[in-house]
Amino acid sequence: AQKVTQAQTEISVVEKEDVTLDCVYETRDTTYYLFWYKQPPSGELVFLIRRNSFDEQNEISGRYSWNFQKSTSSFNFTITASQVVDSAVYFCALIPLNNAGNMLTFGGGTRLMVKP
Amino acid sequence: EAGVAQSPRYKIIEKRQSVAFWCNPISGHATLYWYQQILGQGPKLLIQFQNNGVVDDSQLPKDRFSAERLKGVDSTLKIQPAKLEDSAVYLCASSFIGGNEKLFFGSGTQLSVL
Repeated sequence: AQKVTQAQTEISVVEKEDVTLDCVYETRDTTYYLFWYKQPPSGELVFLIRRNSFDEQNEISGRYSWNFQKSTSSFNFTITASQVVDSAVYFCALIPLNNAGNMLTFGGGTRLMVKP
Repeated sequence: EAGVAQSPRYKIIEKRQSVAFWCNPISGHATLYWYQQILGQGPKLLIQFQNNGVVDDSQLPKDRFSAERLKGVDSTLKIQPAKLEDSAVYLCASSFIGGNEKLFFGSGTQLSVL
């Protein structure tokens, strides 16, 4: 069985600060996908990124960047120059591909509050 | 493009009552998911449909929860009878094929069982 841990339950920053959300995962599968989703106050989860286990290149998309390190089983998410609109709950998730009964497993989420 | 539609948005019931939630996925999406999200936790998969067939319902409490997707489009999730611990947000999601694809989520139904 797989497990995703987001140790930071809540983070509070002031606008324009950089912030990193940690994600650590456990899986016995060699092939898997990792995701980040954002859940704003409206409730629907919004897809941010997907990364497969064979691609350890870091990715940057605007103010967002992701650092995938297989050696430490981590897939951390950094927001540069945070804005109030970034306030939301962020979820890291994993799905293995080797088992017949694979399902997407979410971490507990990190609530980010960006203050003006 | 229309997103995943869910109704109702909120529901308050007393324990032992029944409740049903409805979901209409994005047009053309073959895979539909129901997730339960308890306050302060990440979503937990209850059931996954591929068209009108069940792919995974291993975490569905089948003594009280049921779900159907008869025509392979919209879906209904029912709880009968409800317990206090069923208080949660019930999220519906869909994807084109399934597997490792990204999911599109609805806004959820917030259920309070008193």
